[in-house]
Amino acid sequence: AQSVTQLDSQVPVFEEAPVELRCNYSSSVSVYLFWYVQYPNQGLQLLLKYLSGSTLVKGINGFEAEFNKSQTSFHLRKPSVHISDTAEYFCAVSRLGGYNKLIFGAGTRLAVHP
Amino acid sequence: GAVVSQHPSRVICKSGTSVKIECRSLDFQATTMFWYRQFPKQSLMLMATSNEGSKATYEQGVEKDKFLINHASLTLSTLTVTSAHPEDSSFYICSAAGHGAVNYEQYFGPGTRLTVT
Repeated sequence: AQSVTQLDSQVPVFEEAPVELRCNYSSSVSVYLFWYVQYPNQGLQLLLKYLSGSTLVKGINGFEAEFNKSQTSFHLRKPSVHISDTAEYFCAVSRLGGYNKLIFGAGTRLAVHP
Repeated sequence: GAVVSQHPSRVICKSGTSVKIECRSLDFQATTMFWYRQFPKQSLMLMATSNEGSKATYEQGVEKDKFLINHASLTLSTLTVTSAHPEDSSFYICSAAGHGAVNYEQYFGPGTRLTVT
């Protein structure tokens, strides 16, 4: 079975500051890793994913994440945030191969202040 | 990118009635669809996985007779909440994956807000 832990439920940050949203996972098998963003009353939008290869993954909206197998982490970073980045962010994993279900973390609320 | 729609976006129904939510993949063939529910300020919990033409696989604790899922075509899956009660009020989100979409990605619909009075 897989599980995902997002270590911070809320992260307040000032505009143009850097941010890191932390994600750790547990799995007995290899997994794919994803970060999604959810704006109020909307569905989820994929920010980035790690399937294989380079451990540094770049996504949309200036976000990037680094897969660390030894620490079983997949932290999300952005060097300079905007007000519009205020949203809920979810880390998720799925088993390799095919279209497998996603296991989500509890989410991190990113609040960007002017 | 691949687009998934849901209808309706919001629905209010009376306790004891049934409500159907549609999930459509607009530009790819969704061989697999997933249904999630999300309570306020909480994460998404998978309810069931459906493959086109097959019976849905429900997660532990989800009542299959209460949450009826049909995936009769490669572009449409429906979730019917039968005999709805106030505790069924939630945000229901579907996702889809399959041919014509990027490998291993699920595309999410915009969600349906169900309120049972």
